[in-house]
Amino acid sequence: EVLLVQSGAEVKKPGESLKISCKGSGYNFATYWIGWVRQMPGKGLEWMGIIYPGDSDTRYSPSFQGQVTISADKSISTAYLQWSSLRASDTAMYYCATLINFRAALNYWGQGTLVTVSS
Amino acid sequence: EIVLTQSPGTLSLSPGERATLSCRASQSVSSSYLAWYQQKPGQAPRLLIYGASSRATGIPDRFSGSGSGTDFSLTISRLEPEDFAVYYCQQYDSSPRTFGQGTKVEIK
Repeated sequence: EVLLVQSGAEVKKPGESLKISCKGSGYNFATYWIGWVRQMPGKGLEWMGIIYPGDSDTRYSPSFQGQVTISADKSISTAYLQWSSLRASDTAMYYCATLINFRAALNYWGQGTLVTVSS
Repeated sequence: EIVLTQSPGTLSLSPGERATLSCRASQSVSSSYLAWYQQKPGQAPRLLIYGASSRATGIPDRFSGSGSGTDFSLTISRLEPEDFAVYYCQQYDSSPRTFGQGTKVEIK
């Protein structure tokens, strides 16, 4: 069974850094792309970017380029989403999900990580 | 960037009725690289349809997708109580991938 388990909810202050994780199991982690999706409170889904854990090939949506860093460690089957300096506007639910290839739908989803940024 | 526009914003229907949701793209989505997702409150989205018309694993056959080019639709033939949710379309033809703004299917 394919499972993606994300790290727990975070409460941070503006300007702080953060790294959240997404651990895959039940499949060959290195061979499926992982995508990240943001959902701000009460809003729709936004595509952030994707990474191929096999070689760390990463593609960002222009809206998120330079705002976040996506990475992966295939040795521990884990993908990451990180911020160097959080803003209140980063408050959102963040989901990871798998793609079987570069041009594919998001087929398995993590449970989401709620990030709250408040002073 | 391909902009996806979903309509209507909200659909008010009764259980047993038929629901038809629309997703229109600002430019053609080649090879039908279009997916539909369902999201219930407090839950992660779930893939329903990929390739515009193929049901994902475990999805009941009351869900069907159709369309090509710039016009796509999701049909729920007979609404079950568990189908009341928000539905999103997404294109994965070009970068950046984009989502529609969602259609809420609510109980009338």
